[in-house]
Amino acid sequence: DIVMTQSPESLAVSLGERATIRCKSSQSVFRRSDYKNYLAWYQQKPEQPPRLLMYWASTRASGVPDRFSGSGSGTDFTLTISTLQAEDVAVYYCQQYYTTPQTFGQGTALEIK
Amino acid sequence: QEQLVQSGPEAKKPGASVKVSCKASGYTFSSYYINWVRQAPGQGFEWMGIINSGSGAATHAQNFRGRLAMTSDTSTKTVFLELSSLTFGDTAIYYCARGARGLTASAWFDPWGQGTLVTVSS
Repeated sequence: DIVMTQSPESLAVSLGERATIRCKSSQSVFRRSDYKNYLAWYQQKPEQPPRLLMYWASTRASGVPDRFSGSGSGTDFTLTISTLQAEDVAVYYCQQYYTTPQTFGQGTALEIK
Repeated sequence: QEQLVQSGPEAKKPGASVKVSCKASGYTFSSYYINWVRQAPGQGFEWMGIINSGSGAATHAQNFRGRLAMTSDTSTKTVFLELSSLTFGDTAIYYCARGARGLTASAWFDPWGQGTLVTVSS
């Protein structure tokens, strides 16, 4: 199975500041046949199911504000929130869908400093 | 809109079985896979399996082989997860989630059901 490791486990950022979350996979999730990284990001707030933020590592899902961006390739990926808003307090997860079983990072809890 | 609505919370004793439903609406049911994922209290996500909503063909995670069954009813646009021989460690929120790329297993999950809490206690 591909192991997904996120860092940090928790993060406190001031409102309006940048938040950066990292995700590393134990093997590459880049597929040469279609030149895509099989990596998604989700946001989960308490008592709610996850919400898709990004797919193909850097494509924003419908309705996701442009302060969210994704980058990276191969085994190293980053989710960036450019200017933190109060509603961004949540746990963030990366997921690889390169192969079954699809696996998730352990999550990064983001809070306001 | 595209939506998955799951059945309500369940309380079971060790050794029992539980069946959770996931009803789809707002899209062509048979044209997508549905994944099942669980989240133990305060924990991350564990992928359990995937089912072709149209054909019913399913693949299970190795951890659950022998006690996990996934089925699909195209007449009601509902998929089901049944987990048997429950232990305390099966206490979790169980989510269904659609694979977003049609009948391709390698897909991100969108949308997700609201989750079903299954509590196993004596």
